[in-house]
Amino acid sequence: SQKIEQNSEALNIQEGKTATLTCNYTNYSPAYLQWYRQDPGRGPVFLLLIRENEKEKRKERLKVTFDTTLKQSLFHITASQPADSATYLCALDAGNNRKLIWGLGTSLAVNP
Amino acid sequence: EPEVTQTPSHQVTQMGQEVILRCVPISNHLYFYWYRQILGQKVEFLVSFYNNEISEKSEIFDDQFSVERPDGSNFTLKIRSTKLEDSAMYFCASSKLQGRGGELFFGEGSRLTVL
Repeated sequence: SQKIEQNSEALNIQEGKTATLTCNYTNYSPAYLQWYRQDPGRGPVFLLLIRENEKEKRKERLKVTFDTTLKQSLFHITASQPADSATYLCALDAGNNRKLIWGLGTSLAVNP
Repeated sequence: EPEVTQTPSHQVTQMGQEVILRCVPISNHLYFYWYRQILGQKVEFLVSFYNNEISEKSEIFDDQFSVERPDGSNFTLKIRSTKLEDSAMYFCASSKLQGRGGELFFGEGSRLTVL
């Protein structure tokens, strides 16, 4: 069955450092992958989308890579700030227009 | 900035009761969704809705669930006879793009507690 895994352990880093989060998937080939941020008790907020024919996408301090051979996406936050502390979710299309399959998320804490 | 709004933010109900969760998607969006997230677990797809009909639904979305867009702005999720395991945060989302890869805009969620 289709499976998405994100680093299960919380990531603690120092302010100013780069955070790197991992999303691995098995048993299918998504056409695109999305990253969302979720704060406690709130809805996911879209950050970045990367398509299968794109290797890398950037938006301000965020960078996403997508390696369809390794079946992996890496999500980087450079010059991290305490306000970046949240859970980051990876979501992949399930082969059609409208359904996303989600990872459990990785909790990031940026310490001042 | 336009946003998806959901009501109620929290609903407590007795097992077996009917619940209606309401959503107002972003006005020029074409696709509407319900997802749910049980505490500490993954976000799970329930149903997608386009052109006034269900496009796809998951195994979770059984006969106890239904969706409706009664007036062109509201999008509702009804659970006919709630069970304890329906307790979760229910998120409404909408997207604009007709093609693949449209980002989803989520509401803040409705927390459903079934006692």
